[in-house]
Amino acid sequence: GQQLNQSPQSMFIQEGEDVSMNCTSSSIFNTWLWYKQDPGEGPVLLIALYKAGELTSNGRPTAQFGITRKDSFLNISASIPSDVGIYFCAGSSGTYKYIFGTGTRLKVLA
Amino acid sequence: KAGVTQTPRYLIKTRGQQVTLSCSPISGHRSVSWYQQTPGQGLQFLFEYFSETQRNKGNFPGRFSGRQFSNSRSEMNVSTLELGDSALYLCASSSGTGVNQPQHFGDGTRLSIL
Repeated sequence: GQQLNQSPQSMFIQEGEDVSMNCTSSSIFNTWLWYKQDPGEGPVLLIALYKAGELTSNGRPTAQFGITRKDSFLNISASIPSDVGIYFCAGSSGTYKYIFGTGTRLKVLA
Repeated sequence: KAGVTQTPRYLIKTRGQQVTLSCSPISGHRSVSWYQQTPGQGLQFLFEYFSETQRNKGNFPGRFSGRQFSNSRSEMNVSTLELGDSALYLCASSSGTGVNQPQHFGDGTRLSIL
């Protein structure tokens, strides 16, 4: 099935460092979503983006809707141990259907 | 506000059997989508239902089917189970009344095929 390219695949960072990850598509999207998934649980919505260039924060995570509408970025400032998990991006072109990225696995070293 | 509820949380089946998974969406949400999540393939879209009608369908064989009831609850059925069907099956709901509504996930049903 179709998937978005998400990078990096995994990250090991020290507590307190900033985290950056991105998602790219060959198609234009109208909506970008970012989710975090903890082990044994379903993905939890972090941020929703609806307009090219839009920058939205939800506490420490901040996400941006790329100008080309083919990419999106997620940044987490001053990481803490509970940030560990898998982060997914998802995009939609307005068909009531979302395509998901391959995920970025984040590990935070205390 | 109660979240998306999926039952059962865990299931063990053998090849050739069939299985039914259930999903209760967030109150007021009329769209329910189903996804298959595996380590190798990530989150793959199965289908989406809105007002008891299948509105979108992914690229899965006909063994995978679903339905939605008038109260928006949804069920997914997989017949003639194969080893490769072992996965976490996630359900997500949204209001469904406008395009690009964000989806909210349940904690999934982990299906293991022996």
